[in-house]
Amino acid sequence: NAGVTQTPKFRILKIGQSMTLQCTQDMNHNYMYWYRQDPGMGLKLIYYSVGAGITDKGEVPNGYNVSRSTTEDFPLRLELAAPSQTSVYFCASIERDRDTQYFGPGTRLTVL
Amino acid sequence: AQSVTQLGSHVSVSEGALVLLRCNYSSSVPPYLFWYVQYPNQGLQLLLKYTSAATLVKGINGFEAEFKKSETSFHLTKPSAHMSDAAEYFCAVSTSGTYKYIFGTGTRLKVLA
Repeated sequence: NAGVTQTPKFRILKIGQSMTLQCTQDMNHNYMYWYRQDPGMGLKLIYYSVGAGITDKGEVPNGYNVSRSTTEDFPLRLELAAPSQTSVYFCASIERDRDTQYFGPGTRLTVL
Repeated sequence: AQSVTQLGSHVSVSEGALVLLRCNYSSSVPPYLFWYVQYPNQGLQLLLKYTSAATLVKGINGFEAEFKKSETSFHLTKPSAHMSDAAEYFCAVSTSGTYKYIFGTGTRLKVLA
């Protein structure tokens, strides 16, 4: 199993550009999450999904969108990039009726 | 609402000394509590978890934590620090069935030779 994979590892965007951060898991986990990590702030939940076709907002959803068309994939979309979205983004997944999250390696995004 | 507070954003210990990282939580219902470790440029990995069984929880790499309801604490300890323990540590809280996790702001552990 590859676990949770994220692409790209690094990206630099200009203000106003858009992009999609990819997240894939091969563990057949039902629950998937997107977090952002800023220095000294810990991890903040952006969006999460409890299964294909079902998504919900977390603590900091503004400026982001998600979709979940398959169990494996949970892409995060930034439509109009802003400097405040400069961060490290982590995707995670969890199996139903379990409680341990498995994290991807992260995507480091800079918006200039 | 749930919350987690980690006291001390940076902790330094000498190699071989006791490691103590503090975590206090707030929850109106019985919590699930977790400690995760993050090595540089990597994702988080689970160290240990408390899910209402034994209050003293043992994890990987010699770490353990004790759930103390009266103190609303879940401090992480290791008797003897190793250089390889240098990393950032996060405490997190959840509750059964919610599948939503609140993370603390993290504590960066530095181990001095």
